[in-house]
Order: sequence, then C-alpha cells, then structure tokens
Amino acid sequence: QKEVEQNSGPLSVPEGAIASLNCTYSDRGSQSFFWYRQYSGKSPELIMSIYSNGDKEDGRFTAQLNKASQYVSLLIRDSQPSDSATYLCAVNPVLNTNAGKSTFGDGTTLTVKP
Amino acid sequence: DARVTQTPRHKVTEMGQEVTMRCQPILGHNTVFWYRQTMMQGLELLAYFRNRAPLDDSGMPKDRFSAEMPDATLATLKIQPSEPRDSAVYFCASGLTGGNEQFFGPGTRLTVL
Repeated sequence: QKEVEQNSGPLSVPEGAIASLNCTYSDRGSQSFFWYRQYSGKSPELIMSIYSNGDKEDGRFTAQLNKASQYVSLLIRDSQPSDSATYLCAVNPVLNTNAGKSTFGDGTTLTVKP
Repeated sequence: DARVTQTPRHKVTEMGQEVTMRCQPILGHNTVFWYRQTMMQGLELLAYFRNRAPLDDSGMPKDRFSAEMPDATLATLKIQPSEPRDSAVYFCASGLTGGNEQFFGPGTRLTVL
C-alpha cells in the first residue's frame, strides 16, 4: 500500500461544475496536508494547506480533512478550463513543512471541458 | 521576482557519464529539497537540507547520487555514473523554516541514453 493514494483519473468535468479530488494516507500520525497543482510540463505549486479536521476555503477551492478516516479532499467549485492540471496530494508527519519531508501522491489529472 | 532557478533545464547524456544539476534557492530560504519525478514513480524526495546541513537523503541511491550545498545560494545534485533508469525530471524546491510552502524550480529534464 502506498503511503499517499489518489485516484489516478483522469477526471473530466464540464465547465462550471464541481470537481472533487480525493486522497487517503496511511500514517495515522500525519499532521500537515497540502494540495499542489502541476500544469503539464511545469513544476508543482502549492494551492492549499490544511492542518485540522474540517473544511478550509480559499476562493473556489475547499480542502477537507478527516483524520479519523485518514482522508483529505479538494473541491473546486465553478471549475474553469484553466483548472485543467494534475493535482498532487502531499502529507507531512509533523506540523509545518520545515520540520519534515512531505510524501506526495501520484496525482489526479483533471480536465475541465468548455 | 524571487524564484528558484535550476540549470541546466535539459540534459541528454550517455550512460556512464557524470551529471551535475544545480539549484539556486530563493534568497533567504534556508531549506532546500531535491525531488525526482517520473511517470512510473511520481514525485519522490531524494534529499533535503536545512541551513546547508543534510537532514535526510534516504530517498537517494547512495552508490551513484550525491547532494551538497557548497554555500547558501547553491545546491548541487550529482549522478556518477548515470544510467538510463535515472531519466526523469529533477526538481529543486526551497522554503523557510516555519513556513508551509515549498517553492519549486522549473526542473531539469534528464535523459540518459
């Protein structure tokens, strides 16, 4: 079993719809959770971080964390073609990235169709 | 604007040759990460440094890979000898102690023939 698992996709949604991306992790002691977006041929960029159970909203993006279920998700509302990318889930065993390394999932490729 | 730079951006070499990749972290950042990304393995952490000291290089094949930070503005990743299975995109990222975000460089695309 991989430490961080994501649906490989591809996930295709129509423009304006909600895209839901899921991630599970195996280390129950994990404390920090991140979503990175990676456009084709480009490097990853951080779009969301979450540390406590519940929802965290930033614009059209909502991250959801459930530590009991070892599950983190990313919702993208009003999806746009510019959201088409691979989304990487990253998990860190301690609070804040400075103290430890992040383990990345393999990513979910999202396509938003006009 | 501040960004992580990596050189070279592309490298094609033959099996057995030495490869050196360089990274300049964002000025003032004290944490540097080296990653390798392939279609098969995804994004793997090879090594990371804080204040130029290596903290973890357990993801790196020790027999052929080495990572160093000669100074605060330069991180290097060397492969000697290179093998076809080393073909991948190598990313450098930097960050700040106490910060959340890792800022990634554009990557070095390595092809070993």
